[in-house]
Amino acid sequence: DTGVSQDPRHKITKRGQNVTFRCDPISEHNRLYWYRQTLGQGPEFLTYFQNEAQLEKSRLLSDRFSAERPKGSFSTLEIQRTEQGDSAMYLCASSSFKGYTFGSGTRLTVV
Amino acid sequence: AQKITQTQPGMFVQEKEAVTLDCTYDTSDQSYGLFWYKQPSSGEMIFLIYQGSYDEQNATEGRYSLNFQKARKSANLVISASQLGDSAMYFCAPDWGPNDMRFGAGTRLTVKP
Repeated sequence: DTGVSQDPRHKITKRGQNVTFRCDPISEHNRLYWYRQTLGQGPEFLTYFQNEAQLEKSRLLSDRFSAERPKGSFSTLEIQRTEQGDSAMYLCASSSFKGYTFGSGTRLTVV
Repeated sequence: AQKITQTQPGMFVQEKEAVTLDCTYDTSDQSYGLFWYKQPSSGEMIFLIYQGSYDEQNATEGRYSLNFQKARKSANLVISASQLGDSAMYFCAPDWGPNDMRFGAGTRLTVKP
Protein backbone atom coordinates (compact mmCIF):
# COMPACT_ATOMS: atom_id res chain seq x y z
CA ASP A 1 0.00 0.00 0.00
CA THR A 2 1.82 3.08 -1.26
CA GLY A 3 -1.00 5.51 -0.60
CA VAL A 4 -2.61 7.90 -3.07
CA SER A 5 -0.14 9.55 -5.43
CA GLN A 6 -0.69 12.80 -7.26
CA ASP A 7 1.43 14.24 -10.01
CA PRO A 8 2.71 16.88 -10.36
CA ARG A 9 3.01 18.35 -6.88
CA HIS A 10 3.20 21.85 -8.25
CA LYS A 11 2.17 23.35 -11.57
CA ILE A 12 2.62 26.91 -12.75
CA THR A 13 0.87 27.76 -15.98
CA LYS A 14 -0.01 30.79 -18.00
CA ARG A 15 -3.59 31.90 -18.22
CA GLY A 16 -5.35 30.27 -21.15
CA GLN A 17 -3.23 27.12 -21.16
CA ASN A 18 -4.62 23.64 -20.51
CA VAL A 19 -3.38 21.56 -17.59
CA THR A 20 -3.83 17.93 -16.64
CA PHE A 21 -3.27 16.35 -13.24
CA ARG A 22 -2.94 12.67 -12.48
CA CYS A 23 -4.05 10.67 -9.47
CA ASP A 24 -3.08 7.08 -8.71
CA PRO A 25 -5.35 5.72 -5.98
CA ILE A 26 -4.76 2.84 -3.61
CA SER A 27 -5.04 -0.18 -5.86
CA GLU A 28 -7.90 -1.95 -4.09
CA HIS A 29 -10.00 1.19 -3.69
CA ASN A 30 -12.83 1.38 -6.21
CA ARG A 31 -13.96 4.93 -5.45
CA LEU A 32 -11.94 7.98 -6.43
CA TYR A 33 -12.71 11.62 -5.68
CA TRP A 34 -11.43 15.00 -6.78
CA TYR A 35 -11.58 18.05 -4.53
CA ARG A 36 -10.43 21.64 -4.92
CA GLN A 37 -9.12 23.62 -1.97
CA THR A 38 -8.59 27.36 -2.08
CA LEU A 39 -6.63 29.28 0.52
CA GLY A 40 -8.33 29.40 3.89
CA GLN A 41 -11.12 27.03 2.92
CA GLY A 42 -11.88 23.36 3.32
CA PRO A 43 -11.79 21.05 0.31
CA GLU A 44 -14.68 21.41 -2.11
CA PHE A 45 -16.01 18.30 -3.81
CA LEU A 46 -15.72 18.25 -7.62
CA THR A 47 -16.45 14.76 -8.88
CA TYR A 48 -16.21 11.07 -8.09
CA PHE A 49 -15.81 7.70 -9.79
CA GLN A 50 -16.90 4.24 -8.86
CA ASN A 51 -14.46 2.11 -10.83
CA GLU A 52 -14.46 3.68 -14.31
CA ALA A 53 -17.93 5.20 -14.02
CA GLN A 54 -18.15 8.89 -13.22
CA LEU A 55 -21.18 8.96 -10.95
CA GLU A 56 -21.21 12.61 -10.00
CA LYS A 57 -19.97 15.48 -12.09
CA SER A 58 -22.55 18.17 -11.59
CA ARG A 59 -20.26 19.97 -9.16
CA LEU A 60 -17.42 20.37 -11.57
CA LEU A 61 -16.89 24.10 -11.51
CA SER A 62 -17.45 24.76 -15.19
CA ASP A 63 -17.34 23.00 -18.55
CA ARG A 64 -13.63 23.78 -18.63
CA PHE A 65 -13.16 21.05 -16.03
CA SER A 66 -13.29 17.38 -16.94
CA ALA A 67 -12.13 14.15 -15.35
CA GLU A 68 -11.55 10.63 -16.58
CA ARG A 69 -10.77 7.26 -15.10
CA PRO A 70 -10.55 5.15 -18.22
CA LYS A 71 -9.66 1.75 -16.78
CA GLY A 72 -10.89 2.19 -13.26
CA SER A 73 -7.37 2.71 -11.96
CA PHE A 74 -5.66 6.12 -12.25
CA SER A 75 -7.63 9.28 -12.95
CA THR A 76 -6.88 12.57 -14.66
CA LEU A 77 -8.37 15.99 -14.06
CA GLU A 78 -8.07 18.45 -16.92
CA ILE A 79 -8.67 22.18 -16.82
CA GLN A 80 -8.92 23.88 -20.19
CA ARG A 81 -8.25 27.56 -20.82
CA THR A 82 -7.07 28.14 -17.27
CA GLU A 83 -8.01 31.32 -15.45
CA GLN A 84 -6.37 32.96 -12.46
CA GLY A 85 -9.30 31.90 -10.32
CA ASP A 86 -8.36 28.27 -10.95
CA SER A 87 -5.29 28.71 -8.75
CA ALA A 88 -5.82 26.27 -5.90
CA MET A 89 -4.79 22.93 -4.45
CA TYR A 90 -6.41 19.98 -6.22
CA LEU A 91 -6.76 16.96 -3.98
CA CYS A 92 -7.50 13.39 -4.94
CA ALA A 93 -8.83 10.76 -2.55
CA SER A 94 -9.73 7.13 -2.85
CA SER A 95 -11.90 5.06 -0.60
CA SER A 96 -13.04 1.62 0.35
CA PHE A 97 -15.48 0.61 3.05
CA LYS A 98 -12.65 1.29 5.49
CA GLY A 99 -12.51 5.00 4.73
CA TYR A 100 -10.90 7.70 2.64
CA THR A 101 -7.22 8.29 1.89
CA PHE A 102 -6.04 11.56 0.40
CA GLY A 103 -3.06 12.32 -1.76
CA SER A 104 -0.72 15.22 -1.12
CA GLY A 105 -2.40 17.32 -3.78
CA THR A 106 -1.35 19.30 -6.83
CA ARG A 107 -0.91 23.01 -6.27
CA LEU A 108 -1.85 24.97 -9.37
CA THR A 109 -0.77 28.56 -9.89
CA VAL A 110 -2.12 30.39 -12.92
CA VAL A 111 -0.13 33.48 -13.83
CA ALA B 1 -28.84 23.36 2.41
CA GLN B 2 -26.35 21.32 4.35
CA LYS B 3 -23.81 23.54 6.05
CA ILE B 4 -20.82 22.91 8.28
CA THR B 5 -19.58 25.49 10.76
CA GLN B 6 -16.24 25.50 12.51
CA THR B 7 -16.53 28.61 14.64
CA GLN B 8 -12.89 28.84 15.70
CA PRO B 9 -10.72 30.01 12.79
CA GLY B 10 -7.67 29.88 15.04
CA MET B 11 -6.89 28.26 18.36
CA PHE B 12 -3.85 28.29 20.60
CA VAL B 13 -3.01 25.65 23.18
CA GLN B 14 -0.07 25.11 25.48
CA GLU B 15 1.96 21.98 24.88
CA LYS B 16 0.70 19.02 26.96
CA GLU B 17 -2.70 20.58 27.54
CA ALA B 18 -6.00 19.39 26.04
CA VAL B 19 -7.92 21.34 23.41
CA THR B 20 -11.43 21.05 21.99
CA LEU B 21 -12.18 21.98 18.38
CA ASP B 22 -15.82 22.72 17.65
CA CYS B 23 -17.92 21.58 14.70
CA THR B 24 -21.63 22.09 14.13
CA TYR B 25 -23.61 21.35 11.01
CA ASP B 26 -27.04 21.55 9.53
CA THR B 27 -28.64 18.56 7.84
CA SER B 28 -31.95 16.77 7.57
CA ASP B 29 -30.20 13.44 7.00
CA GLN B 30 -30.60 10.89 9.75
CA SER B 31 -27.89 8.45 8.81
CA TYR B 32 -24.37 9.76 8.40
CA GLY B 33 -20.94 9.39 9.89
CA LEU B 34 -18.41 12.08 10.61
CA PHE B 35 -14.68 12.41 10.01
CA TRP B 36 -12.02 14.72 11.36
CA TYR B 37 -8.93 15.35 9.28
CA LYS B 38 -5.65 17.12 9.99
CA GLN B 39 -3.86 19.10 7.29
CA PRO B 40 -0.28 20.16 8.10
CA SER B 41 1.50 22.79 6.05
CA SER B 42 2.61 20.08 3.62
CA GLY B 43 -0.99 19.94 2.37
CA GLU B 44 -1.85 16.27 2.82
CA MET B 45 -5.16 15.47 4.48
CA ILE B 46 -4.52 13.03 7.31
CA PHE B 47 -7.38 10.95 8.69
CA LEU B 48 -7.71 11.28 12.46
CA ILE B 49 -10.95 9.76 13.62
CA TYR B 50 -14.35 8.62 12.41
CA GLN B 51 -17.66 7.83 14.07
CA GLY B 52 -20.47 6.03 12.30
CA SER B 53 -24.08 7.01 12.44
CA TYR B 54 -25.13 4.24 14.79
CA ASP B 55 -22.05 3.99 16.95
CA GLU B 56 -23.31 4.46 20.47
CA GLN B 57 -20.03 5.27 22.15
CA ASN B 58 -17.91 8.24 21.21
CA ALA B 59 -14.94 7.25 19.10
CA THR B 60 -11.39 7.43 20.42
CA GLU B 61 -8.10 7.04 18.58
CA GLY B 62 -5.07 7.50 20.78
CA ARG B 63 -5.01 11.14 21.90
CA TYR B 64 -8.06 11.99 19.77
CA SER B 65 -11.65 11.63 20.88
CA LEU B 66 -14.87 12.63 19.21
CA ASN B 67 -17.78 14.12 21.13
CA PHE B 68 -20.53 13.32 18.62
CA GLN B 69 -23.95 14.64 19.59
CA LYS B 70 -26.27 13.99 16.66
CA ALA B 71 -29.33 15.51 18.34
CA ARG B 72 -27.44 18.77 18.70
CA LYS B 73 -25.76 18.35 15.28
CA SER B 74 -22.38 18.81 16.82
CA ALA B 75 -19.16 16.80 16.68
CA ASN B 76 -16.27 18.24 18.63
CA LEU B 77 -12.73 16.89 18.47
CA VAL B 78 -10.76 16.67 21.68
CA ILE B 79 -6.98 16.40 21.49
CA SER B 80 -5.40 15.46 24.78
CA ALA B 81 -1.78 16.14 25.76
CA SER B 82 -1.10 18.44 22.80
CA GLN B 83 2.23 18.10 21.03
CA LEU B 84 4.09 20.61 18.87
CA GLY B 85 3.43 18.37 15.87
CA ASP B 86 -0.30 18.86 16.34
CA SER B 87 0.00 22.38 14.92
CA ALA B 88 -2.03 22.22 11.70
CA MET B 89 -5.43 22.90 10.15
CA TYR B 90 -8.22 20.63 11.37
CA PHE B 91 -11.31 19.90 9.31
CA CYS B 92 -14.63 18.44 10.31
CA ALA B 93 -16.24 16.41 7.50
CA PRO B 94 -19.70 14.86 7.77
CA ASP B 95 -20.12 11.98 5.33
CA TRP B 96 -23.58 12.50 3.89
CA GLY B 97 -23.18 9.93 1.14
CA PRO B 98 -20.65 8.26 -1.15
CA ASN B 99 -20.34 11.44 -3.17
CA ASP B 100 -21.10 13.89 -0.43
CA MET B 101 -18.31 14.16 2.12
CA ARG B 102 -18.11 17.89 2.79
CA PHE B 103 -15.62 19.87 4.77
CA GLY B 104 -15.91 22.83 7.09
CA ALA B 105 -13.63 25.83 6.65
CA GLY B 106 -11.25 24.45 9.26
CA THR B 107 -9.60 25.55 12.49
CA ARG B 108 -5.93 26.42 12.60
CA LEU B 109 -4.42 25.00 15.79
CA THR B 110 -1.12 26.32 17.09
CA VAL B 111 0.58 24.47 19.93
CA LYS B 112 2.86 26.67 22.01
CA PRO B 113 5.97 25.24 23.67
